[in-house]
Amino acid sequence: NAGVTQTPKFRILKIGQSMTLQCTQDMNHNYMYWYRQDPGMGLKLIYYSVGAGITDKGEVPNGYNVSRSTTEDFPLRLELAAPSQTSVYFCASSSHGQGLYGYTFGSGTRLTVV
Amino acid sequence: GENVEQHPSTLSVQEGDSAVIKCTYSDSASNYFPWYKQELGKRPQLIIDIRSNVGEKKDQRIAVTLNKTAKHFSLHITETQPEDSAVYFCAATHSRLSGTYKYIFGTGTRLKVLA
Repeated sequence: NAGVTQTPKFRILKIGQSMTLQCTQDMNHNYMYWYRQDPGMGLKLIYYSVGAGITDKGEVPNGYNVSRSTTEDFPLRLELAAPSQTSVYFCASSSHGQGLYGYTFGSGTRLTVV
Repeated sequence: GENVEQHPSTLSVQEGDSAVIKCTYSDSASNYFPWYKQELGKRPQLIIDIRSNVGEKKDQRIAVTLNKTAKHFSLHITETQPEDSAVYFCAATHSRLSGTYKYIFGTGTRLKVLA
């Protein structure tokens, strides 16, 4: 199993550009999450999903959108990129149906908006 | 809203000494408390967790204690080694009836183990 795979690993965007951060997991986890981590800071929840077709906002959803058409994939869309979105983005998944609560994180996407 | 406070923000210890990191949570309904270790440039990795029906859990050199009355939990690392140097995050579930299992993370503790 690959676990949680994120692409790309690095990206530089110009202000106003758009992009999609990809996240896929092969563990059949029902829960998926997107977090951002600013330099020297903790993790803030952007969006999450409890299953295919269901998404909800986290603490800092403004400027982002998500979709969950399949159990495996949970892409994060940035529209009209702004310097404030410069951050490291982590996707995570978990499976609570089996009583496992721990998150499995992807390796992260380092995004710079200039 | 729900909040998790973590202290200290930085901690330096001599190799072989113990390190303690403390977290306080606000949501009394929280029932699961994981700890993550994040090495520089790497993803967070789960190192230990505790559920609300348990007061203490150990795994070799690391242990976590939970005080539900005071709403705080702590990470204890004994016999610290240079490879323990990392940023440690605590978290608490923001568990509503819908069972969303969203974590609220603490702001992290940068631990430096001095050789």
